Amino acid sequence: GEDVEQSLFLSVREGDSSVINCTYTDSSSTYLYWYKQEPGAGLQLLTYIFSNMDMKQDQRLTVLLNKKDKHLSLRIADTQTGDSAIYFCAEIPNQGGKLIFGQGTELSVKP
Amino acid sequence: GAVVSQHPSRVICKSGTSVKIECRSLDFQATTMFWYRQFPKQSLMLMATSNEGSKATYEQGVEKDKFLINHASLTLSTLTVTSAHPEDSSFYICSAFGTSGLAYEQYFGPGTRLTVT
Repeated sequence: GEDVEQSLFLSVREGDSSVINCTYTDSSSTYLYWYKQEPGAGLQLLTYIFSNMDMKQDQRLTVLLNKKDKHLSLRIADTQTGDSAIYFCAEIPNQGGKLIFGQGTELSVKP
Repeated sequence: GAVVSQHPSRVICKSGTSVKIECRSLDFQATTMFWYRQFPKQSLMLMATSNEGSKATYEQGVEKDKFLINHASLTLSTLTVTSAHPEDSSFYICSAFGTSGLAYEQYFGPGTRLTVT
């Protein structure tokens, strides 16, 4: 079946690194995503990774993928207060384009 | 990235009335759009897949007669909530594939907050 799970909350201090974790169940997923949602807003695509990659780095963001354990993580370096938001992990299990979302991790950055 | 807009951003309607929400792809053509619903502090739930020129595909448990979807052009899909009730109050978000049609180019609208009184 299709299921994506995330921890619900993460609190860090400004300047620290944040690591948000996600597990998924569908090993056929070709694409895995991280989206950011600020209060009252839609979703912003942060980054994505193809299933044949182990790691992808994009400025302050690092995505790690462990296909064997079906584990995906998003690391935000030098976390800022503006990074406070809900972060969703998502997968597309097939070519139909239907995104399966995790529950979202609420990141709180304290000054 | 590509831009998807929604209108209105907020709407308040009385119970029993219908309300239409528009989703537009502003700088690209979208043959497929998706409609999601999000309750407070919860994840997004896919309601339906909207295909240009054909009937929408609804997810299990979503009433197609209550949530009417029309995808009449390559840049516009509409969701009409018919005979709205307070339990239909929610945040509705649409998404669309980008110009390449590749799965990873899926962009989201800013959402529409519906409140039914």
